[in-house]
Parts: sequence; C-alpha cells; structure tokens
Amino acid sequence: AQSVTQPDIHITVSEGASLELRCNYSYGATPYLFWYVQSPGQGLQLLLKYFSGDTLVQGIKGFEAEFKRSQSSFNLRKPSVHWSDAAEYFCAVFRNFGNEKLTFGTGTRLTIIP
Amino acid sequence: ETGVTQTPRHLVMGMTNKKSLKCEQHLGHNAMYWYKQSAKKPLELMFVYNFKEQTENNSVPSRFSPECPNSSHLFLHLHTLQPEDSALYLCASSQSLLDTEAFFGQGTRLTVV
Repeated sequence: AQSVTQPDIHITVSEGASLELRCNYSYGATPYLFWYVQSPGQGLQLLLKYFSGDTLVQGIKGFEAEFKRSQSSFNLRKPSVHWSDAAEYFCAVFRNFGNEKLTFGTGTRLTIIP
Repeated sequence: ETGVTQTPRHLVMGMTNKKSLKCEQHLGHNAMYWYKQSAKKPLELMFVYNFKEQTENNSVPSRFSPECPNSSHLFLHLHTLQPEDSALYLCASSQSLLDTEAFFGQGTRLTVV
C-alpha cells in the first residue's frame, strides 16, 4: 500500500541543538514531497517541498530537507532549533499521476527544552 | 495567515444537534478540501471539491454533508454525530486539483458530547 511513515511520534531536543525528523515513503515512483508544520491550535503551514532537481531543498524558518531516492526518505533538518520550533511536523506526498492527492504521515511532535 | 479562514474555531455539540462548519478563501483557488485530524492518526481526506463540484468522497458517513455554493466557500454540515467524530476539521484550498501546494485553515476543534 502507498504510505508515508514518520517513525518518531515524539522528539525532544534542547534549544540550540540540531534536529532531524525522519520521513519515508513507499511509492513506486518519486512523488512530490512536502513538510508541513502545525503549531498548537493552528492549521498546517508549508515548510518546504521537493519536486525534482537538487535533492537538498531549503525552506522557511531555517529548515532544509534532503531527498534520498535509494532510501525513499525525505528527512527534515535544522542546524539549531529555537523554542518557537516546538510544534507538530507532518511529512506528505503527492502522487503526480493517477489518483492525485496529498497523503500525510502521522506526524512528529517536537518538544524543545531550555 | 494563509488566506483560508475557518469558523468557528471551537464547537461543542450534542449527538442530536445540527451544526455547520464554514470555510472561506479569497485566494482565487478552484479546489477545496475537508480533512479530519484525529489524535495519533494521519490526516484523513474527507471531501474534495473542484469548481464547486464534488470530485471525491472518501467513504465518509452521511452524517457529514458538505456543501460548496461557490469556489470561495465550503461548508460541512453535521448532524447526529458520534463521540468518535470529535477531532480537528481542517479546510484547505489549492489553485487546482493538480496543484500540489495546499493552503490550510486553522481548523475547527469539534467535540461531540
């Protein structure tokens, strides 16, 4: 079945530390890939997206993600997190043929400690 | 602010009540979506509208009834809901069905008692 997997339900990091959130997908072809962030009580905001080309993409708020075809992964990274980064992060894929739709992972909740 | 506005932000309703959720966008988008977000589950796509026409209904129970009177407005009418329907309901829009970037509203937190 086509799916998006975020293996980490909850991650806690110290402010100023580096961050990596994992995302794996199981599609035959490379889909379009996204990371969204949801702050408490808010809707989803697009952080970054990958369609093709350079496998390292830059997003807003200092985030970046790297697409690795061999690992079917699209992990989100940030070199130094800020307390305001505490939120829930969702990886999503969009199949660009056939039944086009956004499919989301279950999300990773990020907690920042001082 | 994404340009997609949902009202109300919070709603508590009894199982015999009838209520409606509203979504409004003035981004000039032609596709609108309802998603359900439950704890520890992926976002579930409920309905898709394209140019006011419903193009997808993902086996959603009939107690949820969508309405799209124009490309800028989307409603979700609720009646005889169950406690397990309590969730965050998110509206989203995109320029077209093939547009990969969706803009989300802040959601309506629904509690069914």
